Amino acid sequence: SQWGEENLQALSIQEGEDVTMNCSYKTYTTVVHWYRQDSGRGPALIILIRSNEREKRSGRLRATLDTSSQSSSLSITAAQCEDTAVYFCATRGNTGANTGKLTFGHGTILRVHP
Amino acid sequence: EAAVTQSPRSKVAVTGGKVTLSCHQTNNHDYMYWYRQDTGHGLRLIHYSYVADSTEKGDIPDGYKASRPSQENFSLILELASLSQTAVYFCASSEWTYAEQFFGPGTRLTVL
Repeated sequence: SQWGEENLQALSIQEGEDVTMNCSYKTYTTVVHWYRQDSGRGPALIILIRSNEREKRSGRLRATLDTSSQSSSLSITAAQCEDTAVYFCATRGNTGANTGKLTFGHGTILRVHP
Repeated sequence: EAAVTQSPRSKVAVTGGKVTLSCHQTNNHDYMYWYRQDTGHGLRLIHYSYVADSTEKGDIPDGYKASRPSQENFSLILELASLSQTAVYFCASSEWTYAEQFFGPGTRLTVL
């Protein structure tokens, strides 16, 4: 498996709180993508971080990547109700038949309550 | 803005029947993909294509065929639908292999 053994996770927080979602991967990658999937819709890329970046920010989003431990995190500052969604991390293959292919983790269900 | 559409949005099929899922993109992208998503899991790649009239196997191609008759259209075909193929299917497109993938809204397939 590309991923660690964690199953789909669910987080429930109050509006205004900060939240961090984690994922780990087994196969070497040079970039980690974070996707957001709203109910009834396809995933949409929200931030990506490359292996030469330890941290990447975009608005209230912050992604980190630790290539030595093969793990990445996505943090949302001051979460809002509209942040409620499923968040996936995905790695990009760069060798052989996996070149360019995205491999998705199981995802984290985030619910932000008013 | 990038646009990937899928039809139908939902479908109920009988075991052993033939199912065709369609995808259309207006992005002028060369690459198109079919993924399936099972409840509680991420997306898994079934087939992809980087040029019209050519398709490639993804990670879970068994039981599926794909067809790319034009740059804009990419179909996923289940010749003999099975219960295990009940899932949500997503189509995506990208400009090239390492570019961002843009996803369609998905097709919910239920095989009874």
